[in-house]
Amino acid sequence: DAGITQSPRHKVTETGTPVTLRCHQTENHRYMYWYRQDPGHGLRLIHYSYGVKDTDKGEVSDGYSVSRSKTEDFLLTLESATSSQTSVYFCAISDLLETQYFGPGTRLLVL
Amino acid sequence: GQQLNQSPQSMFIQEGEDVSMNCTSSSIFNTWLWYKQDPGEGPVLLIALYKAGELTSNGRLTAQFGITRKDSFLNISASIPSDVGIYFCAGLPGANSKLTFGKGITLSVRP
Repeated sequence: DAGITQSPRHKVTETGTPVTLRCHQTENHRYMYWYRQDPGHGLRLIHYSYGVKDTDKGEVSDGYSVSRSKTEDFLLTLESATSSQTSVYFCAISDLLETQYFGPGTRLLVL
Repeated sequence: GQQLNQSPQSMFIQEGEDVSMNCTSSSIFNTWLWYKQDPGEGPVLLIALYKAGELTSNGRLTAQFGITRKDSFLNISASIPSDVGIYFCAGLPGANSKLTFGKGITLSVRP
């Protein structure tokens, strides 16, 4: 298995609070991604990174920001959490733009 | 944008049976990937296909990259209970593009 960890694995928070999710890799892969997974929608890309300090938006980026200050860490921040951001969040990594390897996921509940 | 179609949403088979799934699109893809997701886990890569017509096996799993480059197929032979899960296809349209995911097929295996 690719060396990807996500923290926390579960989180409950209240509407309006900021939340940061962390993805850590030990593979030294260039590309990192954040997805959310919701019933009926499958996996949707939030943001991705193609190098340290290089990030770009995905298809559902509103309400989210990311940062990558080191190759191994990619942070996803919900500036002010809303109930619509209740979801399962997956980080993925890839060395090329093709094959992506996924982390175990973070279950976020916004009350 | 590109869409990948997987249907039906759910499949129910008897242990020992073979099952086939397909993934179709109206657009051309240069790479096809098949993932499996167990409950509470992240998707795990099963098979990657990089060339039209390519047929690749991984144990009891066989996947093919369609000749038209608009579809891919996954076959599971002699199913066992641990084959239960969600099977996603994903495609990469070309260089410098991002993966597109199907919505997945939930497979249930009756013992």
